[in-house]
Amino acid sequence: DGGITQSPKYLFRKEGQNVTLSCEQNLNHDAMYWYRQDPGQGLRLIYYSQIVNDFQKGDIAEGYSVSREKKESFPLTVTSAQKNPTAFYLCASTPMLGSPSSGNTIYFGEGSWLTVV
Amino acid sequence: ELKVEQNPLFLSMQEGKNYTIYCNYSTTSDRLYWYRQDPGKSLESLFVLLSNGAVKQEGRLMASLDTKARLSTLHITAAVHDLSATYFCAGTVYNDMRFGAGTRLTVKP
Repeated sequence: DGGITQSPKYLFRKEGQNVTLSCEQNLNHDAMYWYRQDPGQGLRLIYYSQIVNDFQKGDIAEGYSVSREKKESFPLTVTSAQKNPTAFYLCASTPMLGSPSSGNTIYFGEGSWLTVV
Repeated sequence: ELKVEQNPLFLSMQEGKNYTIYCNYSTTSDRLYWYRQDPGKSLESLFVLLSNGAVKQEGRLMASLDTKARLSTLHITAAVHDLSATYFCAGTVYNDMRFGAGTRLTVKP
């Protein structure tokens, strides 16, 4: 079945550590996104990518890094520079605007819970 | 940069009542989405609105889009407890997708 897979579902980070959240999609979507959601809050855009080897910063990119070496993969690294990383992280993908399937729904992964210990 | 504002942020309503959630956006948006989120879960797509005047309905929920007013609405008809969740709207500009803060809906018996 097609979809987006995020892993791990739960992750604990020690102070000063970098951690990487995985996001893989087999939908052949061009655009991929990372959002952060704090408890009881909305979604804030961290990074997005419209094409391989290219990505743009969102509203809260500081302390995070991404790569897009393959179309199907968009991993997010939470670096030690991110002082308050405890949150729910959501990955999403969509066909590129203007593509034959544009206007279709956006697919979200199941999310990853990151906690600092 | 696209900014999306929802109101109200919190909504408590009784079963059987009607209500509307509003979503305003700051610049021309290519598409307007509505999502539902249950506690601790990911987002579930409800509607995608592509053009001015678009109206979509699914069960007790109906979404509409007025691009001239930069306004989308999500209307709830005869609410039931199962509709209790947080509802988000989102807009896109050239694949840059931004969300509203969400409306936490509680439907009481």
